[in-house]
Amino acid sequence: DTGVSQDPRHKITKRGQNVTFRCDPISEHNRLYWYRQTLGQGPEFLTYFQNEAQLEKSRLLSDRFSAERPKGSFSTLEIQRTEQGDSAMYLCASSFPQGDSNEQFFGPGTRLTVL
Amino acid sequence: AQSVTQLGSHVSVSEGALVLLRCNYSSSVPPYLFWYVQYPNQGLQLLLKYTSAATLVKGINGFEAEFKKSETSFHLTKPSAHMSDAAEYFCAVSSGSARQLTFGSGTQLTVLP
Repeated sequence: DTGVSQDPRHKITKRGQNVTFRCDPISEHNRLYWYRQTLGQGPEFLTYFQNEAQLEKSRLLSDRFSAERPKGSFSTLEIQRTEQGDSAMYLCASSFPQGDSNEQFFGPGTRLTVL
Repeated sequence: AQSVTQLGSHVSVSEGALVLLRCNYSSSVPPYLFWYVQYPNQGLQLLLKYTSAATLVKGINGFEAEFKKSETSFHLTKPSAHMSDAAEYFCAVSSGSARQLTFGSGTQLTVLP
């Protein structure tokens, strides 16, 4: 399977702990996105990488959140000092724009539960 | 800023009946519009996309959507619902320099036997 993969699929943690998620995009895709989806809502944009450069961050991305894409391939999203409000599904997507299209391919997501 | 409104958070149809899921968008520039489907505890799968090539867009699994600029709408339809269509459907618009997606709040489709 050459789709977007995410690890872990589920994470349960206690409030105040740090967690890190990984995303492996489709190999030739140079754009990578992180989204957060809370129950009953559509995904919300968090941040965007083009190759290894983080070019845009949403105001939703508080200073407890940090994302990296060190070699322009996989990406990690770290949440420090987790809060119960961080409980959500974290989705990663990748794309390789061709023409006017920027079709994004999504991974299965990491569901975070903060107790 | 661009936005998407999905009318009806829950839609129920009988198997074999027409599916109509509504999406209206707000955009200051010609939009790129998408419909995604999400099954429980899974990521999003692209159903179809509008990129200005044609106003009637055909997607996977028998779905199609029509872009109507005058109504700022991009409604999703399928002539005959199947039980396997039960899922959550999201309309999205691409915007910004990052061309990130802005999603509607979703419509949960239930298919009744």
